[in-house]
Amino acid sequence: KNQVEQSPQSLIILEGKNCTLQCNYTVSPFSNLRWYKQDTGRGPVSLTIMTFSENTKSNGRYTATLDADTKQSSLHITASQLSDSASYICVVSARPGGSYIPTFGRGTSLIVHP
Amino acid sequence: DTGVSQDPRHKITKRGQNVTFRCDPISEHNRLYWYRQTLGQGPEFLTYFQNEAQLEKSRLLSDRFSAERPKGSFSTLEIQRTEQGDSAMYLCASSPPAGIQETQYFGPGTRLLVL
Repeated sequence: KNQVEQSPQSLIILEGKNCTLQCNYTVSPFSNLRWYKQDTGRGPVSLTIMTFSENTKSNGRYTATLDADTKQSSLHITASQLSDSASYICVVSARPGGSYIPTFGRGTSLIVHP
Repeated sequence: DTGVSQDPRHKITKRGQNVTFRCDPISEHNRLYWYRQTLGQGPEFLTYFQNEAQLEKSRLLSDRFSAERPKGSFSTLEIQRTEQGDSAMYLCASSPPAGIQETQYFGPGTRLLVL
């Protein structure tokens, strides 16, 4: 069964600090892994997308890493801001292109305190 | 605004009523997806369209749910005989033609409350 597990479930940090969110998956065959940011009451917004051959991808203060051998990914947030408070969702797709059913993690809820 | 739009943004209905939601994808995106999301959970896949063809459906999509994309542009999701368990956020997403780097662009969602 395809699964995506995220940890921690929730995280509270102080503004300006760094943090790292984890994603483990059992989706096979692997196609790509995406990280989304979802603000409360809004739809998810894509942060990064990585394929099998990519180890790291950055988007501003967000840096995602991928280890396809261990089936793990992380999202590192540098110098956190209050606006980073949101849910971060890891999504893994099993087939390259074409039609597919992506597997979503439950998300990590991040709260950044001033 | 050229993003994915959904209408309505909020819907309150009584159990047993039918509801219909609309999604307008980004123009020229031939792929369209519907998801359901409950509090504290990630989105759950419901169904997927490529142009006007409904290519995949989740087993979550019971016979009370039906989705259409008649002209390959906007899509509707109808829930018949709503139940309290249908209360959730219904998200629509679209993406451009196939590629392994394809990213889904999500709409703001329609929040449904069934009383």
